[in-house]
Amino acid sequence: QVQLMQSGPEVKKPGASVKVSCQASGYTFTSHGINWVRQAPGQGPEWLGWVTGYNGNTRYADKYRGRLTLTADASTNTAYMELTSLQLDDTAIYYCARRTGLFDSRGYSVDTFGFWGQGTKVTVS
Amino acid sequence: VLTQSPAALSLSPGDRATLSCKSSQGVGRDRLAWFQQRPGQAPRLLIYDVVNRASGIPDRFVGSGSGTEFALTISSLEPEDSAVYYCQHYTTYPYTFGQGTKVEIK
Repeated sequence: QVQLMQSGPEVKKPGASVKVSCQASGYTFTSHGINWVRQAPGQGPEWLGWVTGYNGNTRYADKYRGRLTLTADASTNTAYMELTSLQLDDTAIYYCARRTGLFDSRGYSVDTFGFWGQGTKVTVS
Repeated sequence: VLTQSPAALSLSPGDRATLSCKSSQGVGRDRLAWFQQRPGQAPRLLIYDVVNRASGIPDRFVGSGSGTEFALTISSLEPEDSAVYYCQHYTTYPYTFGQGTKVEIK
């Protein structure tokens, strides 16, 4: 079964960087990308970006472009999210997520998030 | 922008809950999903493509709508349905979520 296992909680000072890992299992890593989503306390989820497991191509939310780096290592089935220049409002739970793997009646991939990691709490203080 | 209403609901077991999600522009190709998030857990996919239940989701969860207005109906609330529910569009990046509706079971 598909599993996404994330690294443990982090506490960082303002201005520092954080790198969170997401190790995938139960499927062919290069067949699906990994999305990163964060959720600040009491807020809804926010999409940060996506990295493909195939060749490392990426897409970023405009808000985080320049501060966010997503990478993928197919040799270890692991995706990484690095966020630099941390501020207090970067305190959040960070999730990795994979699309459903389903296709609609027209043959298009259903790209919403069917599988989630357990989340990594990042505290900036 | 996805706007959810109401912000919170307090209902009894067996009641019917109707949650609304309105988009500031049309959601292309019916790429609208609903998630359930219980405290301390990651979001769980309930509904995709407006009306399709994800694997293992009970049939009391029903998605509906089109264009800019969507709804999630929980036909007969169970105690374990106490959670925050989010809608999400996934037509093109950036995929965005609504701010959520908290459902409390009395």
